[in-house]
Amino acid sequence: DAKTTQPTSMDCAEGRAANLPCNHSTISGNEYVYWYRQIHSQGPQYIIHGLKNNETNEMASLIITEDRKSSTLILPHATLRDTAVYYCIVRGGGSNYKLTFGKGTLLTVNP
Amino acid sequence: GAVVSQHPSRVICKSGTSVKIECRSLDFQATTMFWYRQFPKKSLMLMATSNEGSKATYEQGVEKDKFLINHASLTLSTLTVTSAHPEDSSFYICSARLAGGSTEAFFGQGTRLTVV
Repeated sequence: DAKTTQPTSMDCAEGRAANLPCNHSTISGNEYVYWYRQIHSQGPQYIIHGLKNNETNEMASLIITEDRKSSTLILPHATLRDTAVYYCIVRGGGSNYKLTFGKGTLLTVNP
Repeated sequence: GAVVSQHPSRVICKSGTSVKIECRSLDFQATTMFWYRQFPKKSLMLMATSNEGSKATYEQGVEKDKFLINHASLTLSTLTVTSAHPEDSSFYICSARLAGGSTEAFFGQGTRLTVV
């Protein structure tokens, strides 16, 4: 699976949009981009995933660049409860469903 | 989303004893379950992948005789830490993938193991 690079930490004001970047320059054609987050001392929570097209659900939007070498997770109106470590993971298709977690981005939402 | 439940959420055990952690998919059948461990301020590290009815596949460096995994049904997988030592103290997390081709995995709330 391709490696991902994320900033170590980011800050965001409550109510504003949080834009979390992820670089995955070695991604291959059949690899998906997944985002999970982990609130302190809890298990990770699935947020969203995509292959080529931009995706949106009730939690967030995922913007994938045309060359697929980077993506951005957008939380449109961040709240204090969105403070967590956000993991961007690239996973291959097929029968291997393993998720390899990197260090992620600690997003701190400030009042 | 689908619910994965781990039990217990916290456990303290004496060095040399064994501890069993359960991972249940509550409202779906899970063909595949994964076990991770996480040390303080570190990321999750995959320990093993278990498929219902077959032997688990362990990641490199994980002792299969120490971390026994059983996936006896489509809704239950167990991790037994045998002869636990203080260095086994960690946060253990399971995840489950829906049977039938779904691509996202759902995680349990984790189990904090402390070996004294």
